[in-house]
Amino acid sequence: LAKTTQPISMDSYEGQEVNITCSHNNIATNDYITWYQQFPSQGPRFIIQGYKTKVTNEVASLFIPADRKSSTLSLPRVSLSDTAVYYCLVGADAEGGYNKLIFGAGTRLAVHP
Amino acid sequence: DAGITQSPRHKVTETGTPVTLRCHQTENHRYMYWYRQDPGHGLRLIHYSYGVKDTDKGEVSDGYSVSRSKTEDFLLTLESATSSQTSVYFCAISEGDRGRLSSYEQYFGPGTRLTVT
Repeated sequence: LAKTTQPISMDSYEGQEVNITCSHNNIATNDYITWYQQFPSQGPRFIIQGYKTKVTNEVASLFIPADRKSSTLSLPRVSLSDTAVYYCLVGADAEGGYNKLIFGAGTRLAVHP
Repeated sequence: DAGITQSPRHKVTETGTPVTLRCHQTENHRYMYWYRQDPGHGLRLIHYSYGVKDTDKGEVSDGYSVSRSKTEDFLLTLESATSSQTSVYFCAISEGDRGRLSSYEQYFGPGTRLTVT
């Protein structure tokens, strides 16, 4: 059964680096790993995406080991506005050659002053 | 923000009543998705469409049907609503490839909060 696993919640303080790991044992070999951010009463928003090794953009980094069975979202120097729920999304192998979309259950990050 | 609207934004209905939720996009994206979001479960895919009249089931499709007669509209129907279908429903759009769906950035609508009493 394809599944992703993330910590339910994390706490941090302003200015610290936060790392959120998602495990995804059944990831499809040809699909990317994507992370989304969601604020209350809004739809999720794309943060970052990668296939392997490391990807960095203006808001985050994504670390993916060679076996791709996990990924780590890194948020540098968080601020109060980073308080949100973070989801990983992967594709998993499915019948017919078409991947299934599997979201993690989300990690609720609380950033404190 | 991507041009995605959902209607209605809130709905309260009774068990056994049919309900239709609408997603409308102005981005001309080929792929459209319906998710439900519940505490402890995150987002779960109900159905998705990869073109007009082309749809496929997601992880939690039982009790739901969809239709897409135009590129811009994707409808989700609960034929006979049950209390277990009380949830927040999100529509999303993307470009895509059925062989690697998660490789494409999805843009989400604002959500519809459905309560089945």
